Amino acid sequence: QVQLQESGPGLARPSETLSLTCSVFGGSVNSANYYWSWVRQPPGKGLEWVGSVFYSGTSTFNPSLNSRVALSIDTSKNQFSLRLTSVTTADTAVYFCARAVRPDYYYYYMDVWGRGTTVTVSS
Amino acid sequence: QSVLTQPPSASGTSGQRVTISCSGGSSNIGVNHVYWYQQLPGTAPRVLISRNNRRPSGVPDRFSGSKSGTSASLAINGLRSEDEADYYCYTWDDSLSGPLFGGGTKVTVL
Repeated sequence: QVQLQESGPGLARPSETLSLTCSVFGGSVNSANYYWSWVRQPPGKGLEWVGSVFYSGTSTFNPSLNSRVALSIDTSKNQFSLRLTSVTTADTAVYFCARAVRPDYYYYYMDVWGRGTTVTVSS
Repeated sequence: QSVLTQPPSASGTSGQRVTISCSGGSSNIGVNHVYWYQQLPGTAPRVLISRNNRRPSGVPDRFSGSKSGTSASLAINGLRSEDEADYYCYTWDDSLSGPLFGGGTKVTVL
C-alpha cells in the first residue's frame, strides 16, 4: 500500500520561500502512470490544487499562484518537492501531497493522500 | 470562489437522504468525469465516487453519484452520524488544463 508523508518547516516568514518535501513509501515516483501533486487547504476553507509533477520532471501549477510555485522530483530518493516563493499570510494552510492516477492520458485525479502538514506564515 | 459551485452546507436526520449538487461549465463537468471526495474532520480527503458514479472498494453503497450536462450530484441514502464530513466535487478543466475542486459542502447529521 502506497503511503505519502510530507515534511518541512511549520513556520515561514512573509516574503520568504516555503519548501516542502513528500516522501513516497511502498511505490515508486518513477512511473508514467501517475502525477505527484500538492493540494492545500487554508484554515476553515476548501481544497485548492497547487501543482503536479510528472516523473520526467514536467510540472504544471495553478495559475492563481502567479508563477510562485516550483515543483521538482527526485527519483533516486523517491521524493517530490514544492517551493513557494514570496509567501504571505494567505499561504497559511495545510499542505497535502498526493498521488494522482491517470485514468486517461489527458487527466488525473488524486487517489492516495498524505496526512498533510500545517504551514503558518507569520512574522 | 471556485469555478465548481457547491452549496456550503446540507443536513438531515439519521436515515434521511441528502443530496449535494456541483455546478460547473462546458469546459469541465460538461466534458469530463466528476469525482467526489469525503473529508472527515482533521483527516485527508478520500475518494468516495470516481468517474461520475463508481464506488471504490470499501465505500458503502448508500453513497451514489450522477452527472447530467454541466452538473453533478452526490446522494447519501440512509444518512448516518459517521457521514458528518466535508464533501468536495472534483473534475478536470480543459481550459485550465488542470484540476478543479468545488468549494465543498459540510454535511451535518441533525
